[in-house]
Amino acid sequence: GAVVSQHPSWVICKSGTSVKIECRSLDFQATTMFWYRQFPKQSLMLMATSNEGSKATYEQGVEKDKFLINHASLTLSTLTVTSAHPEDSSFYICSARAPGGPGTDTQYFGPGTRLTVL
Amino acid sequence: GQQLNQSPQSMFIQEGEDVSMNCTSSSIFNTWLWYKQDPGEGPVLLIALYKAGELTSNGRLTAQFGITRKDSFLNISASIPSDVGIYFCAGRIQGAQKLVFGQGTRLTINP
Repeated sequence: GAVVSQHPSWVICKSGTSVKIECRSLDFQATTMFWYRQFPKQSLMLMATSNEGSKATYEQGVEKDKFLINHASLTLSTLTVTSAHPEDSSFYICSARAPGGPGTDTQYFGPGTRLTVL
Repeated sequence: GQQLNQSPQSMFIQEGEDVSMNCTSSSIFNTWLWYKQDPGEGPVLLIALYKAGELTSNGRLTAQFGITRKDSFLNISASIPSDVGIYFCAGRIQGAQKLVFGQGTRLTINP
């Protein structure tokens, strides 16, 4: 299957600092990438949908000024958590939509980034 | 919005047993995907389904796209310890970009 990487895999930062997480599709071009947040023992919660070259579409309740998303190329999207606070500590996972034939595209996930804000 | 009901929420089985889990929706989907997630990792795609009635296998795993397009099931035969993890179903309605996820099924295997 297609490979999606995320960097860093984990990060610890002080409250008030900003953290950038990178998501790359390694062997395919992804016109659409997604950012999820996952709390312990819960399902994935979609934060935003990112289309290359355009502004991200945020889900209801997700602060766009807090979670900045940039999708500058077909293989790279970044999520920046600005002025991070302890309540932003979570597991952040990106995914990329891989094109297939008509009606057969699928979605592959990165390995996730564990963010801990002290 | 769309919701997926995944059941069971958890399963405790003996090694070698077969496993079955399913997802149902109030909406019609045109894509069903099944993922497995290990602790601290991202979900890994197991099986993708695109047509109503489609039955697809991946080794010991078999999944089906329900005829009504509102449900899907995943079966695991002859479970082994490495099958332990959380399994998620996900569906996409026609024309939508985003997936809707089930709540997950946590599988525990007793050796």
